[in-house]
Amino acid sequence: SQTIHQWPATLVQPVGSPLSLECTVEGTSNPNLYWYRQAAGRGLQLLFYSVGIGQISSEVPQNLSASRPQDRQFILSSKKLLLSDSGFYLCAWALGQAGGGYEQYFGPGTRLTVT
Amino acid sequence: AQSVTQLDSQVPVFEEAPVELRCNYSSSVSVYLFWYVQYPNQGLQLLLKYLSGSTLVESINGFEAEFNKSQTSFHLRKPSVHISDTAEYFCAVSEKGGSEKLVFGKGTKLTVNP
Repeated sequence: SQTIHQWPATLVQPVGSPLSLECTVEGTSNPNLYWYRQAAGRGLQLLFYSVGIGQISSEVPQNLSASRPQDRQFILSSKKLLLSDSGFYLCAWALGQAGGGYEQYFGPGTRLTVT
Repeated sequence: AQSVTQLDSQVPVFEEAPVELRCNYSSSVSVYLFWYVQYPNQGLQLLLKYLSGSTLVESINGFEAEFNKSQTSFHLRKPSVHISDTAEYFCAVSEKGGSEKLVFGKGTKLTVNP
């Protein structure tokens, strides 16, 4: 069966510091991968998605970036965090159209607090 | 582009009462529809989905949702709720043959009181 991991679970970082959040998926090949941010009372905001290694689509222009160095690894980064980057970051995977499925499966999330 | 509206941001109910969480969507093409549940400080879990076939879909824990194409709705229902159903519920839509993304509603916080 497939599993998705995210780390760290919680993170407290000062403004201006760098960020690296990691997401890995086990038990499937060539998944679509997604990064979302969930701010209090604002639902889910899609930040980036990837349909293959090195292929990243950005949904929201901001000081975040994403990379997919391996098939089942997705990394969210920032060079300098802002207070507004605080939130709950969720990674998700999906089989995509090629796999016949559109539903996404979510990781446990990372709670980021920028101070 | 598709969009999803969850009409109620918060729904308080008493234990063992019925509940309906409303979801309406907008799309110019055929869609797939999903309900997710999120417990505090956890990721989202897929509750149920409509891809094709029967318009009434059920989950293993007693929830059901009905796809109504004419009303562009996918409301979630449960005839008798438990305290453990307290969570936030998200409706999501994806266009058939479209981009491989989900569009989510803003969520409905269901609180079940004793």
